[in-house]
Amino acid sequence: DGGITQSPKYLFRKEGQNVTLSCEQNLNHDAMYWYRQDPGQGLRLIYYSQIVNDFQKGDIAEGYSVSREKKESFPLTVTSAQKNPTAFYLCASSIYRNSPLHFGNGTRLTVT
Amino acid sequence: KQEVTQIPAALSVPEGENLVLNCSFTDSAIYNLQWFRQDPGKGLTSLLLIQSSQREQTSGRLNASLDKSSGRSTLYIAASQPGDSATYLCAVNTPEEGAQKLVFGQGTRLTINP
Repeated sequence: DGGITQSPKYLFRKEGQNVTLSCEQNLNHDAMYWYRQDPGQGLRLIYYSQIVNDFQKGDIAEGYSVSREKKESFPLTVTSAQKNPTAFYLCASSIYRNSPLHFGNGTRLTVT
Repeated sequence: KQEVTQIPAALSVPEGENLVLNCSFTDSAIYNLQWFRQDPGKGLTSLLLIQSSQREQTSGRLNASLDKSSGRSTLYIAASQPGDSATYLCAVNTPEEGAQKLVFGQGTRLTINP
């Protein structure tokens, strides 16, 4: 079955450490996105990529980095510069601009 | 800056009732509007996408309407079932070149009581 796989489901890190969240899709979608979800708030866009080897900052990119070396993969690194990294992170993809977004099941990151 | 609001934040109704969820947005220059469902601890599932040129979309017991001029969308759920319990989010797609940059509402948490 086609879909988006995020791993791991839960991630625990100590403050000051970088951590990378995995996102893989087998839907052959060109565009991929990373969102952050906090309690009581809507989803906020961190980074997005429309084609391989190209990506753009979203609304809250500070403290995060991404790469898009393969069409299927769009990993997100949460760096030590991110001041409030504890959140639920969601990866999404779409075929083209006017098509529904498909989401993975998310990674819950806890930094202590 | 586009802002999306969903009211109420939570709604509880008995099984079998028809219900309406509301979504409002501040800038009518949208590309499309999407409704999603989110179960606890899970990702989002796309329910309906309405293009800016459309007035409504239907899928099974769900019907979504769009009134761009007033900045409103509604999601109508007919004959509600306990399995419909979830958080429902709407999102508008802003017409930025080549990108699908959705702005999300905070969601309505729906509980259907057996």
